[in-house]
Amino acid sequence: EAGVAQSPRYKIIEKRQSVAFWCNPISGHATLYWYQQILGQGPKLLIQFQNNGVVDDSQLPKDRFSAERLKGVDSTLKIQPAKLEDSAVYLCASRGGGSTDTQYFGPGTRLTVL
Amino acid sequence: TQLLEQSPQFLSIQEGENLTVYCNSSSVFSSLQWYRQEPGEGPVLLVTVVTGGEVKKLKRLTFQFGDARKDSSLHITAAQPGDTGLYLCAGVVDYKLSFGAGTTVTVRA
Repeated sequence: EAGVAQSPRYKIIEKRQSVAFWCNPISGHATLYWYQQILGQGPKLLIQFQNNGVVDDSQLPKDRFSAERLKGVDSTLKIQPAKLEDSAVYLCASRGGGSTDTQYFGPGTRLTVL
Repeated sequence: TQLLEQSPQFLSIQEGENLTVYCNSSSVFSSLQWYRQEPGEGPVLLVTVVTGGEVKKLKRLTFQFGDARKDSSLHITAAQPGDTGLYLCAGVVDYKLSFGAGTTVTVRA
């Protein structure tokens, strides 16, 4: 079974530029999460999708961050405009249905904002 | 702000030694998970503990969940270089994870 795929793996941009990250979850997984992991910290949940609907985006900085999962499969996370403090690894995770609480993480996208 | 406090932040030991990592919170969780993360990769689930006082063993790894379901520990016996990595605990509420800051473990050969 293929795991969670993310691209790109690395991205370097200058502040005030925009950037987008892509995630393809495990086939059949209805729930998708985006996390931000700043160096020296654990992952922090940004947004949770159930199929193509948003379940929780309370920690998403909505003035600059946006995310969508239009067809309930792939998802895109965008930052516009980027700030220096957005430098982090952005992790995508997916979870199957039912009572399982196991999330499967992708390898992440490392973003550096200069 | 991390709801879960992990200690120590860094741990460096010799191969064959034992180590313990702690995870503490003032909040009660429905369950608690331990992950290991290697450089350039996402976290990988090691174990989920659900019941207060529960002890789970996974080969040389022993996980304990506190009676009040607020704290947990991970003990590694006879550590090997392959155990090197970032160990993260995460509290689970409504299928959402709240992670600690992690403990970086280095096992020297």
